[in-house]
Amino acid sequence: SQLAEENLWALSVHEGESVTVNCSYKTSITALQWYRQKSGEGPAQLILIRSNEREKRNGRLRATLDTSSQSSSLSITATRCEDTAVYFCATVASSGSWQLIFGSGTQLTVMP
Amino acid sequence: EAGVTQSPRYAVLQEGQAVSFWCDPISGHDTLYWYQQPRDQGPQLLVYFRDEAVIDNSQLPSDRFSAVRPKGTNSTLKIQSAKQGDTATYLCASSLGLNTEVFFGKGTRLTVV
Repeated sequence: SQLAEENLWALSVHEGESVTVNCSYKTSITALQWYRQKSGEGPAQLILIRSNEREKRNGRLRATLDTSSQSSSLSITATRCEDTAVYFCATVASSGSWQLIFGSGTQLTVMP
Repeated sequence: EAGVTQSPRYAVLQEGQAVSFWCDPISGHDTLYWYQQPRDQGPQLLVYFRDEAVIDNSQLPSDRFSAVRPKGTNSTLKIQSAKQGDTATYLCASSLGLNTEVFFGKGTRLTVV
């Protein structure tokens, strides 16, 4: 079973709107990362948020982390057509062998 | 600076054939990862190296998959006797140490018919 999971398969918004992708996970973590993957490319890291952080920003992106509810969110403001991609959360477990555990992703489509 | 480079970009095989994927990580990155990404799923770690040493290959199907990184730089992932269930994109990634930013290549899309 997935240890990290985005809560929706797909989202659609119009350019300029804001959107939030949510993620839940099932294990104790040292960090959570948000990735974006455009068609035909590999994932690209957007934000790394450590377990002792509650919020992290990167330009139009804002990630939050709630370790008590084991959830995270990624918000994008003023969306652009080029934000169209699959968004993944990936966790790094705090015990055992280090590895990134990816969710199955949320397809975000930004329409003109 | 060049990113992570993978070749080939695409491969189509019949069941039972063998295939090798090649990866050139970012220069200076000591940690290299191979991921398998089935269609409409997130990447799943197969194996990762620190320099030339395998750190974790517990998710690598050892009967048909093998991975090497002999000089701690480039790496090769090989599938012997491919099966239809191996159809996926194979992603290579690298980083400087663990729990730092991981950089992915564009992947090799494998189709086994």
